[in-house]
Amino acid sequence: QLQLQESGPGLVKPSETLSLTCTVSGGSISSSSYYWGWIRQPPGKGLEWIGSIYYSGSTYYNPSLKSRVTISVDTSKNQFSLKLSSVTAADTAVYYCARLWSLWGQGTLVTVSS
Amino acid sequence: EIVLTQSPATLSLSPGERATLSCRASQSVSSYLAWYQQKPGQAPRLLIYDASNRATGIPARFSGSGSGTDFTLTISSLEPEDFAVYYCQQRSNWPGVTFGQGTRLEIK
Repeated sequence: QLQLQESGPGLVKPSETLSLTCTVSGGSISSSSYYWGWIRQPPGKGLEWIGSIYYSGSTYYNPSLKSRVTISVDTSKNQFSLKLSSVTAADTAVYYCARLWSLWGQGTLVTVSS
Repeated sequence: EIVLTQSPATLSLSPGERATLSCRASQSVSSYLAWYQQKPGQAPRLLIYDASNRATGIPARFSGSGSGTDFTLTISSLEPEDFAVYYCQQRSNWPGVTFGQGTRLEIK
C-alpha cells in the first residue's frame, strides 16, 4: 500500500529556505505516470497548491510562488523535495505532499519565526 | 487565475438531512472540478473528480454535478462522520490548480 511521509524542520527563520522531503513507501515513485505535488494550508485557512512534478522531472509551479519554489525528485531514494526560499511568517502552514490527487501524506507543520 | 467561490461558508444541518454545497468558477472549467473532505487534523480526502465521478471507496451518498461554472456536491443523507470542511478544486489549466475557500458543514 503506497504511503507518503513528509519530513523536515518544523521551525525556519525568516529569510531562510524551507526544505521538506516526501518519502514514498510501498511503491516506486517512477513506476507509473503520476504527478506528485506539494500543497500547503496556513493554520485555520484554506488549501494552496504550491507545485507539481512529473515522475520524469518536469515541474510546474503556482505563479504566485514560482520565484521562490523548487521541486525536485530523487528516484534512487524514492523521494521528492520542496525548497521555498526567502520565507516570511506568511509561509507558516501545514505542508502536504501528495500523489496527485488521491493520495496525501499526513502533513507537517512548518513555522516561520525567529 | 480562475477563482472558485463556495457557498454557503457554513451549513448547519442534522444527521439524516440532505446537504447541498455549491462551487462557482470565475470562468468555465469544463468538467475539471473535484471535491475534497477535510476533518480536523487530517489531510484532505478526494471525494469527487471530473465533476461527477466518485473516487475509490467513497460512499454512494456523495454525488457531484455541474459543468462550466456552476457545480454542486450533494450528500443525500448525512451521517455523523460527514460533518467536516469541504473544498472544491479546479484543474482546467492543469498542471496549475486552484481551490475554493471551503464550506464548513456543522451539526445543527
